[in-house]
Amino acid sequence: GAGVSQTPSNKVTEKGKYVELRCDPISGHTALYWYRQSLGQGPEFLIYFQGTGAADDSGLPNDRFFAVRPEGSVSTLKIQRTERGDSAVYLCASSPGHPNTGELFFGEGSRLTVL
Amino acid sequence: DQQVKQNSPSLSVQEGRISILNCDYTNSMFDYFLWYKKYPAEGPTFLISISSIKDKNEDGRFTVFLNKSAKHLSLHIVPSQPGDSAVYFCAASGFGNQFYFGTGTSLTVIP
Repeated sequence: GAGVSQTPSNKVTEKGKYVELRCDPISGHTALYWYRQSLGQGPEFLIYFQGTGAADDSGLPNDRFFAVRPEGSVSTLKIQRTERGDSAVYLCASSPGHPNTGELFFGEGSRLTVL
Repeated sequence: DQQVKQNSPSLSVQEGRISILNCDYTNSMFDYFLWYKKYPAEGPTFLISISSIKDKNEDGRFTVFLNKSAKHLSLHIVPSQPGDSAVYFCAASGFGNQFYFGTGTSLTVIP
């Protein structure tokens, strides 16, 4: 499809395990964002890529979280030593233009459950 | 520290009536505001936006009003339709690379 694609849609893992979540943005979109949405909350910023580089990773909660976008398209969010508090919906969004203006196009999210 | 606040977690409106969703923000550096709509098990979808140089933007049944002095914006939907039932998020940006989202308001339009 032409939209932002995220896989897996659901992931259940055990505490302490490693998890990867993938985002395939809209073709041609240079900006890519990861957000996290916990129950009853709005999306919370994690990291922003412009091209291949992480332009702003100030939202990553700690060093267990890491994201890459090696070719400026697909991005992977990596979570090490998962904790129960990491359970949330992880949203990826892309945008064609300059940050702070224009809309973000969101994927359907990856629901992570840490048991 | 929540920089964008939606103080009403839910709202119910009769079909055909006006829905008014409110949003407050604390940071005067914000200069661009957006509303997103979210259905269950889907990602948020863009609805309407407004720049701080304007105080109103209209798109069909949807109008966003911005009151910079009060740091307040609102989304008006008229007439409301059952298909408008969803969670609505207010978002703001203006510095750095982040969009800051509110906690959402769940709108139910009663047929």
